[in-house]
Amino acid sequence: NAGVMQNPRHLVRRRGQEARLRCSPMKGHSHVYWYRQLPEEGLKFMVYLQKENIIDESGMPKERFSAEFPKEGPSILRIQQVVRGDSAAYFCASSPGMSGSGEQYFGPGTRLTVT
Amino acid sequence: GENVEQHPSTLSVQEGDSAVIKCTYSDSASNYFPWYKQELGKGPQLIIDIRSNVGEKKDQRIAVTLNKTAKHFSLHITETQPEDSAVYFCAAGTGNQFYFGTGTSLTVIP
Repeated sequence: NAGVMQNPRHLVRRRGQEARLRCSPMKGHSHVYWYRQLPEEGLKFMVYLQKENIIDESGMPKERFSAEFPKEGPSILRIQQVVRGDSAAYFCASSPGMSGSGEQYFGPGTRLTVT
Repeated sequence: GENVEQHPSTLSVQEGDSAVIKCTYSDSASNYFPWYKQELGKGPQLIIDIRSNVGEKKDQRIAVTLNKTAKHFSLHITETQPEDSAVYFCAAGTGNQFYFGTGTSLTVIP
């Protein structure tokens, strides 16, 4: 049973370009979460999605960031017009979605570097 | 919202000794407390969790305790081994939403 998959593992973008990060949840999981981790810091919640629905985006910056989890295919975190401050590791987690279960399983992350 | 504090930020122990990491939380509604281990260059891995209806849970060399009255919970690793060296994160929350501590970098010295 494959775990959470993320690609690419490393992404380099110049300032002003767009970054697209992909996440495929574990088989049977219908909930996806995105987190950002800056060097030497903890994980900061960004957004929580179910298929075709954004449940909670309270951690997402208001501009340039968007996320989706379509009916078919992976979840996508999109960052438009990247700036150096966007450089971080972005982690995706998935859960079965049973109410109150809590368990989230993380992918290996995408390390975004903005030059 | 929930505020999770974690101490210490760094911890060094001799191989075979015990390691204890402590966390406090602010929201009394939190009822789920997972612990994650993150190795360099990898994603966090769930190692143990505890729910608010339980005071202690043990899995081999790892144990977690929860004091809901004081709003704190702790991770205990006994008989530490070099492969336990990693960053450990606590988290607290409800249902599908939780908040992470800032992490503890544990080094086990052979």
